[in-house]
Amino acid sequence: QVQLQESGPGLVKPSQTLALTCTVSGDSISSAAYYWNWIRQHPGKGLEWIGYIYYRGSTYYNPSLKSRVTISVDTSKSQFSLNLTSVTAADSAVYYCARSPLPWLRFFDSWGQGSPVTVSS
Amino acid sequence: QSALTQPASVSGSPGQSITISCTGTSRDVGGYEYVSWYQHHPGKAPKLMIYDVSNRPSGVSDRFSGSKSGNTASLTISGLQNEDEAVYYCASYTGASTLIFGGGTTLTVL
Repeated sequence: QVQLQESGPGLVKPSQTLALTCTVSGDSISSAAYYWNWIRQHPGKGLEWIGYIYYRGSTYYNPSLKSRVTISVDTSKSQFSLNLTSVTAADSAVYYCARSPLPWLRFFDSWGQGSPVTVSS
Repeated sequence: QSALTQPASVSGSPGQSITISCTGTSRDVGGYEYVSWYQHHPGKAPKLMIYDVSNRPSGVSDRFSGSKSGNTASLTISGLQNEDEAVYYCASYTGASTLIFGGGTTLTVL
């Protein structure tokens, strides 16, 4: 049974970089069968897919965030990470990591509990 | 790309059936057989309930079913139970390696 757990600061100052890590246990992050994703939920709003990484390092991002997002993977630590630059209050949200099986970006079969992030000075 | 359209709320009594709709376009819901549904209890991890329009993951009750017609997908919950009260999200593959979600529907069990 795979488990995902987000970690990172709950408070980030405007214009700084939001950095979160997702630790994967119970399955290999180096599996060729999955994409590893970040998703966020703004307060009182729906879900927004941010992007994914494949264990070999290839990535794909939501076009609306692409200029500010970087997702990376550290297979030795079974972790993947999200960096979001130049944050504003609009980036305040609960950030989830999730796993999706290939092929295509069809669905997410396992999720973390979520990491709330507030952007404020 | 705009979010998929879901009703803000639905309600039903225990034992009844309810249906939640999810409307998109031919570029997402109507164009692919890759609609999924998630159950979200506040403070918990979202849970996959339906994938590829109508498939149930192992362990999900057969009271949950999914379907699609044209640009609209639907989630039906039969024999409503108190524990079904949650927010339900639909999602669809959009091509070009992207995916969009619906705005979420709050299910209240009366």
